Amino acid sequence: DIQMTQSPSSLSASVGDRVTITCRASQDIGVFLAWYQQKPGKAPQLLLYAASRVQSGVPSRFSGSGSGTDFTLTISGLQPEDFASYYCQQYYNTLWTFGQGTKVEIK
Amino acid sequence: EVQLVESGGGLVKPGGSLRLSCEVSGFIFSDYSMNWVRQAPGKGLEWVSSITSSGNYIYYADSLRGRFTISRDNAKNSLYLQMHSLRAEDTAVYYCARDLQLAGRITIFGVIDLWGQGTLVTVSA
Repeated sequence: DIQMTQSPSSLSASVGDRVTITCRASQDIGVFLAWYQQKPGKAPQLLLYAASRVQSGVPSRFSGSGSGTDFTLTISGLQPEDFASYYCQQYYNTLWTFGQGTKVEIK
Repeated sequence: EVQLVESGGGLVKPGGSLRLSCEVSGFIFSDYSMNWVRQAPGKGLEWVSSITSSGNYIYYADSLRGRFTISRDNAKNSLYLQMHSLRAEDTAVYYCARDLQLAGRITIFGVIDLWGQGTLVTVSA
């Protein structure tokens, strides 16, 4: 299986901050990477796919980059509603795997 | 309204069986590939199984193959997950989830754009 490793596992930030979360794959996955946001007690929501394509309806402050094994999710100007957990996921092969998650908390 | 509604979760003893259902509405179910994804309490997301729109291709996480069976009934707009030989580590919220489809009915397998609210499965004596 392809292992996905996110860092950090958690971070504290303030409203307005620029936040970057990284995701590393255990092998080359091209750009077959998605990012999800999950709030407590809720189902995840798709933010980006193909590493950098923003899903319809997602605010433009969310962006993604990377290819191969190293990827980043950036939130430019953190908003109160962005405090949540974030997961990367590879869909390079038919055994989809998620990163362990990054919890973004209020400083 | 587009939605996925899971049911069938509950408390089951180790070694027991359970069948989860997911009823969909608001979109053409037979056009979409579907998934089950689970999340243990306080833990991350784990993909369980996928099935293509016609049901012709089915995939399972390696650790679950042989115990879980995914199926669908396009006439009933429903997705199912039959679970056998349940273990404590199967305790989780199980989400029904739809694969993303772009314009021109191009499916992006493995990218999930719609999730149900989840159903809790608890395996305990």
